[in-house]
Amino acid sequence: DAGITQSPRHKVTETGTPVTLRCHQTENHRYMYWYRQDPGHGLRLIHYSYGVKDTDKGEVSDGYSVSRSKTEDFLLTLESATSSQTSVYFCASGRPEQPQHFGDGTRLSIL
Amino acid sequence: RKEVEQDPGPFNVPEGATVAFNCTYSNSASQSFFWYRQDCRKEPKLLMSVYSSGNEDGRFTAQLNRASQYISLLIRDSKLSDSATYLCVVNSVGGTSYGKLTFGQGTILTVHP
Repeated sequence: DAGITQSPRHKVTETGTPVTLRCHQTENHRYMYWYRQDPGHGLRLIHYSYGVKDTDKGEVSDGYSVSRSKTEDFLLTLESATSSQTSVYFCASGRPEQPQHFGDGTRLSIL
Repeated sequence: RKEVEQDPGPFNVPEGATVAFNCTYSNSASQSFFWYRQDCRKEPKLLMSVYSSGNEDGRFTAQLNRASQYISLLIRDSKLSDSATYLCVVNSVGGTSYGKLTFGQGTILTVHP
């Protein structure tokens, strides 16, 4: 496995609160990704990073921000969580044209 | 049109059956193709890459038809443990797509005794 971990694994919070999810990889992969997975939508890319301090938006980036200060860590922040952001969040890392390896996921519930 | 389309199923087959999944992709610039497997409430895991000449890994065979922009996965002698969702995945290169994977919505397989 790629040695990629996510924290927390589960979180319940209230609407309007800030939330930060962390992804840590030990494979020295340049590329890292945040996805959300919802019934009927499959995996959708939120943001991705192609290097330290280099990030770009995915298809569902509204309401999310990311930061990458080190190769190993990629943070996803919900500045003011909404109920529509209740989802399962997966982090992945990899190299272009190669398969991505996923973390175990974070189940986020926003009440 | 979605970038990657799969028949969502579900496919319900008995043990020992052969089952085939199909997938189409819309971006002719796509260069890399994969099948992932996802168990309920777990992360997606790479099942196999798909090569132009077709490739086999045990009971699993993947085929790619670039002219038709079509990918397939064949599972022979199905096992109960094959029950999962199978995701067709395409990697496009060039421009703003570089380094990104596009996932199909997945095909659900249930293998029953």
